[in-house]
Amino acid sequence: TQLLEQSPQFLSIQEGENLTVYCNSSSVFSSLQWYRQEPGEGPVLLVTVVTGGEVKKLKRLTFQFGDARKDSSLHITAAQPGDTGLYLCAGASNSGYALNFGKGTSLLVTP
Amino acid sequence: GAVVSQHPSRVICKSGTSVKIECRSLDFQATTMFWYRQFPKQSLMLMATSNEGSKATYEQGVEKDKFLINHASLTLSTLTVTSAHPEDSSFYICSAETSGGLRDTQYFGPGTRLTVL
Repeated sequence: TQLLEQSPQFLSIQEGENLTVYCNSSSVFSSLQWYRQEPGEGPVLLVTVVTGGEVKKLKRLTFQFGDARKDSSLHITAAQPGDTGLYLCAGASNSGYALNFGKGTSLLVTP
Repeated sequence: GAVVSQHPSRVICKSGTSVKIECRSLDFQATTMFWYRQFPKQSLMLMATSNEGSKATYEQGVEKDKFLINHASLTLSTLTVTSAHPEDSSFYICSAETSGGLRDTQYFGPGTRLTVL
């Protein structure tokens, strides 16, 4: 099993602040996905990154895949209460289709 | 596109009974579906990988006789929790991988909350 370490595990910030969530591994992934999950619901795919060094933007969210394809980061600018949720990174190895999930980052944005 | 549904969304059952959870890909064909369970405030734990028309591959520590998986068609997989006990209470989530398009991308169902009394 290829382990993905997410940090921080918990984050509580005020509306308008910026934040970065990290996803690190010692293994190389063919692709990496970021999901957001709200309580009682399934994860919703935010983005898939495939190429080392790739940067993708989704409104106020910026995703980066490390050059070596071992790590990724999610940066949120001017966080809003609607951003509250559990953020999960998941990596796919070259050897199979099963995703390896990080433990998640629980984000709370207060007004 | 890429919508996955689960039924039921919530189920409460008595200890010793069996519960079936359905996972459907609504607008695409999924050659591979995955079943996860998630405990409160924790990440997803892969239980098994299900391929259409073949036996599921279970992760280490997951009892295949207790968690029966059937993937009868390209749009439907079922998970049956047999002789459920309170420790089986959890949030069960399925996902489906598209056979075309970007590989390694999974689309998740909304989850099924199982409570065993």
